[in-house]
Amino acid sequence: DVKVTQSSRYLVKRTGEKVFLECVQDMDHENMFWYRQDPGLGLRLIYFSYDVKMKEKGDIPEGYSVSREKKERFSLILESASTNQTSMYLCASSLRDGGYTFGSGTRLTVV
Amino acid sequence: AQTVTQSQPEMSVQEAETVTLSCTYDTSESNYYLFWYKQPPSRQMILVIRQEAYKQQNATENRFSVNFQKAAKSFSLKISDSQLGDTAMYFCAFMKHGSYSGAGSYQLTFGKGTKLSVIP
Repeated sequence: DVKVTQSSRYLVKRTGEKVFLECVQDMDHENMFWYRQDPGLGLRLIYFSYDVKMKEKGDIPEGYSVSREKKERFSLILESASTNQTSMYLCASSLRDGGYTFGSGTRLTVV
Repeated sequence: AQTVTQSQPEMSVQEAETVTLSCTYDTSESNYYLFWYKQPPSRQMILVIRQEAYKQQNATENRFSVNFQKAAKSFSLKISDSQLGDTAMYFCAFMKHGSYSGAGSYQLTFGKGTKLSVIP
């Protein structure tokens, strides 16, 4: 089975900590995405990448950065975690013609 | 910019009945894709059905079918013979289609979702 793997299902971090969320795909997809999911707001795009070392801001990039050093791995970084970043984070990958494959999500709580 | 609207935050349906979830979108693009994704309580989002805007025929996948009205910018999902496993959040999503141009290409815009409960 092809898959997108997010390293943690649940994370609890303290305010001000630097947080890394890791995502790995085994499908040789060009595109990778990080979304944030909040009740009543749906999914909102944080960052995406269409090639190694390439990244583009999505709709809500503030407070986040990303890294894509290898094609299969796309990391989301919270430079200084804040309580308003408590959320579900979803990683996805796709080929050029769309059709995303999603990871299982990471529920991050910042206390 | 594209917007996707799902006007029904929650719906319920009796097992074996048919239910229709609504979705409208706003775009100035002429070529695009539309999707319905399902997110069960276990959380992993999976693709239910996909429609290319240039195709007049409505997409169908087993018990799932869409009613695509391009002029009205409407894309509803019909689930026939509802099953308990259909209980999930359903998201409508839009993607513009075109030649690959890096930024902005292949980005999905999601609606806020409809929570569907199938009642035994």
